[in-house]
Formats: sequence, structure tokens, C-alpha cells
Amino acid sequence: ETGVTQTPRHLVMGMTNKKSLKCEQHLGHNAMYWYKQSAKKPLELMFVYSLEERVENNSVPSRFSPECPNSSHLFLHLHTLQPEDSALYLCASSQDRISTNSPLHFGNGTRLTVT
Amino acid sequence: AQTVTQSQPEMSVQEAETVTLSCTYDTSENNYYLFWYKQPPSRQMILVIRQEAYKQQNATENRFSVNFQKAAKSFSLKISDSQLGDTAMYFCAYLGISNYQLIWGAGTKLIIKP
Repeated sequence: ETGVTQTPRHLVMGMTNKKSLKCEQHLGHNAMYWYKQSAKKPLELMFVYSLEERVENNSVPSRFSPECPNSSHLFLHLHTLQPEDSALYLCASSQDRISTNSPLHFGNGTRLTVT
Repeated sequence: AQTVTQSQPEMSVQEAETVTLSCTYDTSENNYYLFWYKQPPSRQMILVIRQEAYKQQNATENRFSVNFQKAAKSFSLKISDSQLGDTAMYFCAYLGISNYQLIWGAGTKLIIKP
């Protein structure tokens, strides 16, 4: 059983819709991440939260809006997306943000399709 | 900027065979960490093995071992006695201690055939 849970598993949305992806970690970790995974491309880091504070935003378009209400929960709010935003969105957590002894623990991802 | 290259988009071997996945990276740092992650069809990325650049000894985890060649900037993963459950995408990743950002390769799809 994964310590990082993502919902929904699949999501199909139109370009004018507003939806949210949810991530919950049960590991007591202090850092949480959103990654975008597209076919045949390296994982792209989108956002990083450490102790509920956003510490990294890698030039992500404003149509993606993260929210971290507490150290166990992370959301990605989506609005007016484009078809090229279709991808697998992975959530991950780690004990600390900056630690070489703190491997990432991933969820199963949300497969997003924008029509 | 650091980069990670996985030159094999897809590989397939018979069950019980040994397979080696290649990974090369580019960096000007002397101290860093390298990882292999596995992503099975369930989509959950799992850490397979980890290597610290200042350690000359190659890391080993059961059937998984690495061949770390620091001068050549090469970090290959060897899977011995491959099993059907090894079928997955495998990602090589680099972590430098200057900015602690994980740099990923594009992945290799490994298929183990019965």
C-alpha cells in the first residue's frame, strides 16, 4: 500500500473546466512535490512545498495553481487547460527538502486528458 | 547545467537473463548522487538503487547493481536473473549538492518476456 495517495486516478476535462488533483501522504514527510510526466520526456518538476511553504515554482503557467493546506495534503488546481497539458501528474513526498538521505516517495499519479 | 541521458528508449530480454540499462550524465560538480527509479504499470515510481559519487564501490541491492564510472560519467544498471515483475520504465536521476534539484533522464522501457 502506497504511503502517497493521489486522486483521481484518471481525469478527462474540457479546456473550460476547473478541476483539482489531490495528493495525501501518510509518511510524516515535510516536503511535497508535483511533477509532470509526458511520454518519452524527463520528469518535469512543477512545484515544491516544504513545511507547507512553496519553495520552488519552475516557470509553470498560471493555469496550474498549487495549494498545500498542511504538510500531509497537496492540491493542484486546474483551469482553462490546453491539450498539451495532457500528461501523467505525479505527486511525491520526502522527509526533508534538502537531504541526500531523503528519497522521494511517489503516488500512482493522475492521468489527465484535456479535450 | 546538468543533463541525464538514457540512450535506450526500449529494451526486451527473456526471463532469467541479465540486462544492462545505460545512463550517462553531464556535470561539473565533484560530489553528487545518482539514482535508478522503477515505474511499473501501476505508475508508482519506486527507488531501486542509489550511488554516492564519492564512494568508489558500486552499489548493490539484491539482483540490482550499478556500474559507476565517474570519469566517464556513466551510471548503468544491471539486473540479474530478470523476472517478469521487472517489466517497467526505468529512470536514471542525478542530484547535485549545489542546488539539490533532481535531474531526470527520459527513461528506458524494459520488457521481460516469459
